[in-house]
Amino acid sequence: EDQVTQSPEALRLQEGESSSLNCSYTVSGLRGLFWYRQDPGKGPEFLFTLYSAGEEKEKERLKATLTKKESFLHITAPKPEDSATYLCAVGYNAGNMLTFGGGTRLMVKP
Amino acid sequence: IAGITQAPTSQILAAGRRMTLRCTQDMRHNAMYWYRQDLGLGLRLIHYSNTAGTTGKGEVPDGYSVSRANTDDFPLTLASAVPSQTSVYFCASSDSFGRGYNEQFFGPGTRLTVL
Repeated sequence: EDQVTQSPEALRLQEGESSSLNCSYTVSGLRGLFWYRQDPGKGPEFLFTLYSAGEEKEKERLKATLTKKESFLHITAPKPEDSATYLCAVGYNAGNMLTFGGGTRLMVKP
Repeated sequence: IAGITQAPTSQILAAGRRMTLRCTQDMRHNAMYWYRQDLGLGLRLIHYSNTAGTTGKGEVPDGYSVSRANTDDFPLTLASAVPSQTSVYFCASSDSFGRGYNEQFFGPGTRLTVL
């Protein structure tokens, strides 16, 4: 069965404490892996797309990487404003549909 | 540039009533989607449309219908609302032409409570 699993479900960090969020997937015919940020009461905001194993994308304190089985979202020296829920999603086979993971709720304390 | 707008922002609805959630995008994207987001279940696709005039069923389509008369609008209708349809509803759009999958852009959501 095709699945997308994110871990941990929640992560508490001190400001400046770097860490990584994991997104593992078991889909056939991966056609793209997407990372989103979602703030409370708002819609998901697009961050990155990764298409093939070995690909990396960076934006400010965030860096996303992709292997054949999983993706990591690395957060370097996080700030309180990085607190949000981070969602990953995969697209696979035909069509434009995405399957989302359950998300990781990140809390960064000052 | 507004991107995607959704209306209403929130709504409390009596069970059995009919309700249409509105979604409009100004990015000229050909594909549009409706998701519901529930605590512990994440985002689940209800219906989608790859282009104006066509629609398809997602993971949880029962109790919902959609139409796509033009590029910009993609309304979601609950014909007879039930309490299990209490959720936050997100509309999204994407430009599906080009390399692989193209990212989906989301609206601000509609919080619906069915009593």
